[in-house]
Amino acid sequence: NAGVTQTPKFQVLKTGQSMTLQCAQDMNHEYMSWYRQDPGMGLRLIHYSVGAGITDQGEVPNGYNVSRSTTEDFPLRLLSAAPSQTSVYFCASSDPWLAGVADTQYFGPGTRLTVL
Amino acid sequence: GQQVMQIPQYQHVQEGEDFTTYCNSSTTLSNIQWYKQRPGGHPVFLIQLVKSGEVKKQKRLTFQFGEAKKNSSLHITATQTTDVGTYFCAGMRINFGNEKLTFGTGTRLTIIP
Repeated sequence: NAGVTQTPKFQVLKTGQSMTLQCAQDMNHEYMSWYRQDPGMGLRLIHYSVGAGITDQGEVPNGYNVSRSTTEDFPLRLLSAAPSQTSVYFCASSDPWLAGVADTQYFGPGTRLTVL
Repeated sequence: GQQVMQIPQYQHVQEGEDFTTYCNSSTTLSNIQWYKQRPGGHPVFLIQLVKSGEVKKQKRLTFQFGEAKKNSSLHITATQTTDVGTYFCAGMRINFGNEKLTFGTGTRLTIIP
């Protein structure tokens, strides 16, 4: 199994450009999430999905869109990139959280995004 | 804002010394997870605690969940250079129907050989 894969590994954008960060998992996990990691801020949840066709906002959703048309894929779209979106982006997947107890999250290798 | 805080933010220890990081939540947690992220890498799951007062051990690592389920700690005995990295806790807040896993701010551990 490849686990969770993310592309690209690195990306430089100009302010106002749009792009899509790709995330795929081959573990048949229903839950998938996108996080951003900034120095001193830990990991902050952007959007998440509990299954194909279902998405919801996390802590910092503004400026990002997601969709989940298949179990395997969960792309993150930056609509109009801003310097404040310079960060490391991680995608994660897990089995469903039962009775309010989270399951192990498997993280992808991350995408380092710089917005000039 | 961030509802799961970790202290300290940074810790430098001599190899062989012990290390502890603390995780505190403003609300009761249903469970807490710990992750380790090596420099340049991605977070990797270490352990999950669910029960009040639970203590779990993994070799030199000891994890505790507080009696009130609002705090947790990770203690490493006799640190080694392989322990270098950032340690994150992640807590699931009790919020029926809208549970989210909230990560702490992390503690970056560096080892002085």
